[in-house]
Formats: sequence, structure tokens, C-alpha cells
Amino acid sequence: DSGVTQTPKHLITATGQRVTLRCSPRSGDLSVYWYQQSLDQGLQFLIQYYNGEERAKGNILERFSAQQFPDLHSELNLSSLELGDSALYFCASSDQDGNTEAFFGQGTRLTVV
Amino acid sequence: GQNIDQPTEMTATEGAIVQINCTYQTSGFNGLFWYQQHAGEAPTFLSYNVLDGLEEKGRFSSFLSRSKGYSYLLLKELQMKDSASYLCAAYNDYKLSFGAGTTVTVRA
Repeated sequence: DSGVTQTPKHLITATGQRVTLRCSPRSGDLSVYWYQQSLDQGLQFLIQYYNGEERAKGNILERFSAQQFPDLHSELNLSSLELGDSALYFCASSDQDGNTEAFFGQGTRLTVV
Repeated sequence: GQNIDQPTEMTATEGAIVQINCTYQTSGFNGLFWYQQHAGEAPTFLSYNVLDGLEEKGRFSSFLSRSKGYSYLLLKELQMKDSASYLCAAYNDYKLSFGAGTTVTVRA
């Protein structure tokens, strides 16, 4: 158990819908990272937050948004869902602003039908 | 931007040694990570190199050459449970960017 909690574990929804994925980082960790992993694809970096502030952005679509709250949990919002958004979404946390080991949650498997 | 390359697949025999190479081209490089990922599971941390040289952790070792943009992960005394995907990741500009992963299959 990495200490990073993601909910829900599985999510099935229809095209055009909107979902929210939630991540609670390890106790004391200030950084949260979001990744998308599709079938046969590597981990694609989406976005990073550090202590509530957006720190870095990767290949995140405009239909997707995220935030980190004062209690340091983070949410990833995916809207106008398309079939191609079906993937495993991982959250990771680390105790510093990068350059340290990141611990991954078990992921949320999103299926868009 | 960043470009991280590693072989797609490798196969080895139980008890043997396997070396997984990774080359990277990134701006603002700050360190190189290796993660292990079993299918459908979360990646788990194996090693981190920021300075040139070899880091050893039990059966796993990782090497970094910053001037060559090169790293390798060495897995010794392979066990069946080591069958997994091994991900090379470069940290730069606050982003931890992953390669596509190397699937290692350990055969009896």
C-alpha cells in the first residue's frame, strides 16, 4: 500500500458525460501528479500540483481540468467524454516539488461506452 | 520537450541477469527514475539516480551517465515475479516523464 488513495477504482460512463476522479496523497506529501495510461501506451503526464498551485502541465486536453484543495487532495475532472478517453488514470504524490520518489495510487479505470 | 527510449521487450531465464537500457533527451534534467509495473497495477519505485554512477539496491542496480543521456537498470538473480514492465522516467521542469516501458518476461 503506497498510501495514495484514488476513488473510484472503476468507472463506466457514456460518451458526452462528465466525471470526477479523486486522489488523496500520502500524509505529508505536497505534490500531486496525474497520469493517463491507455492500452498499449506508456504513462502520459497530465498535470502536477504543488501545495495547491499548478506546477506543470503535460498533454492534458482542454476538456480535462484538475485542482488541488487546501487539504491537499486533488480532483481530475474529465468532461465531454469520448471513447478514446477510456484508460487507467493514476495519481502519484511526493513530499517535495519533484526530484523525489513519487508514490502511485492504484488508479481509476475509466471506461467510456 | 523530452524523448525517452527503451527497448520494448526482453526475455531472460530465471536466475539470469538482464540489463535494460534507457536513453533520454530532456531539457533541464534533474534525475532519472526506474519504476516497476505489473499489468493493471500501479507503478512502484525501484531506483533514483541524480549523479553519475551506479546505485545498488539488493538485486537491482541502476546506472546513470548524464553526459551521455544514458541509464540502465540491472536485474540480477531473476525470479519469476520479476516479470513486469520496467519504466524509465526523467525528471525535468517539474515533470516526471516516462518512457513506454520494457516488458521483461522471465522463463523457467
